[in-house]
Amino acid sequence: GQNIDQPTEMTATEGAIVQINCTYQTSGFNGLFWYQQHAGEAPTFLSYNVLDGLEEKGRFSSFLSRSKGYSYLLLKELQMKDSASYLCAVSDSNYQLIWGAGTKLIIKP
Amino acid sequence: GAVVSQHPSWVICKSGTSVKIECRSLDFQATTMFWYRQFPKQSLMLMATSNEGSKATYEQGVEKDKFLINHASLTLSTLTVTSAHPEDSSFYICSGQSGRESDTQYFGPGTRLTVL
Repeated sequence: GQNIDQPTEMTATEGAIVQINCTYQTSGFNGLFWYQQHAGEAPTFLSYNVLDGLEEKGRFSSFLSRSKGYSYLLLKELQMKDSASYLCAVSDSNYQLIWGAGTKLIIKP
Repeated sequence: GAVVSQHPSWVICKSGTSVKIECRSLDFQATTMFWYRQFPKQSLMLMATSNEGSKATYEQGVEKDKFLINHASLTLSTLTVTSAHPEDSSFYICSGQSGRESDTQYFGPGTRLTVL
């Protein structure tokens, strides 16, 4: 079966750095997406990785290791507005997105 | 770029009535549109995939006669919840994707449906 695993909830302090991990087992791989979803709102696109390595975009970075079936989203200089759920999704061999359950990130002052 | 709108943003209706939700890609042509449903504190659940000019492909367990999807143009898809019941109350979200299958899905703001 296809499976995406990510922690259910994480807590971090304002100004700090947090890493949200995602491991996956899918039939084929055509890229991994990270989305941010604030409570009561739709997801917004953060990043896309299809090759191994680190993609940096401002305070957010995303890393991929295809051989390990592993990705992480790194958030630096955390702000209160970063409190949200972070969804990991993998595009499988049919280009269908397989979604993780999301990681709820709580930022404390 | 890559903006998707949804209308209405919220709707309350009586049990047994039908509700239509519109999804529009504003600045790109969405060859494929996806419809999701999300219950509180749960993950996104894909309901159906629709390609412009074709019949939608429904996920297992989703009743195609209850959730009617039309994707008549490259910028508009509609989801009609027919004979809605309280258990259909949920957050419905659409996303659009341009021609290439590897392209990012861009989400609309969602429609919160409450069926009394």
